[in-house]
Amino acid sequence: GQNIDQPTEMTATEGAIVQINCTYQTSGFNGLFWYQQHAGEAPTFLSYNVLDGLEEKGRFSSFLSRSKGYSYLLLKELQMKDSASYLCAVRLTSGTYKYIFGTGTRLKVLA
Amino acid sequence: DTEVTQTPKHLVMGMTNKKSLKCEQHMGHRAMYWYKQKAKKPPELMFVYSYEKLSINESVPSRFSPECPNSSLLNLHLHALQPEDSALYLCASSHGTIAKNIQYFGAGTRLSVL
Repeated sequence: GQNIDQPTEMTATEGAIVQINCTYQTSGFNGLFWYQQHAGEAPTFLSYNVLDGLEEKGRFSSFLSRSKGYSYLLLKELQMKDSASYLCAVRLTSGTYKYIFGTGTRLKVLA
Repeated sequence: DTEVTQTPKHLVMGMTNKKSLKCEQHMGHRAMYWYKQKAKKPPELMFVYSYEKLSINESVPSRFSPECPNSSLLNLHLHALQPEDSALYLCASSHGTIAKNIQYFGAGTRLSVL
């Protein structure tokens, strides 16, 4: 079976740094995606990793270790608007379109 | 333009009704997806169309019937639904051929089955 786990909820303070973890055990792996989803809205793409290491994009960075089945999303200089759900998703194999989403992490940013 | 448009935004239907959800994109994407999302849960893949052909059906009940009339449009026909089918239905599209193949999502149709 496919298993992608994330913490259910996290709380952080405005201006702080938060790390959201994602661990996966899947039948295949061809890339890991991070999405942000505000309540009642569509998921929007944040970051993508297919090789080990860190990808940095402004206030957001994502890290991948394929040998450990582990990724994290790092959010710096938190803002109130960052309060949302964060979803990691694994694309199972190259050449297919099968994506499995993780359980999602609801982040609450406090003033 | 990275817009995926879904209509209607909200839909209430009885268990004997027939309705359709529509999805449209003009990004030239060749892969289109239907996902179902229940409250506080992640999206679950239902169907994938690749180059207008159904390539993935995740054992979805036949009361959900997808259709891809052309490369820009994706429909989901609904018939004899159950109350447990109430959820947010998300459409997504992706390029289909490039390595990264980012999915772009529509805002969804919130479906209530009475």
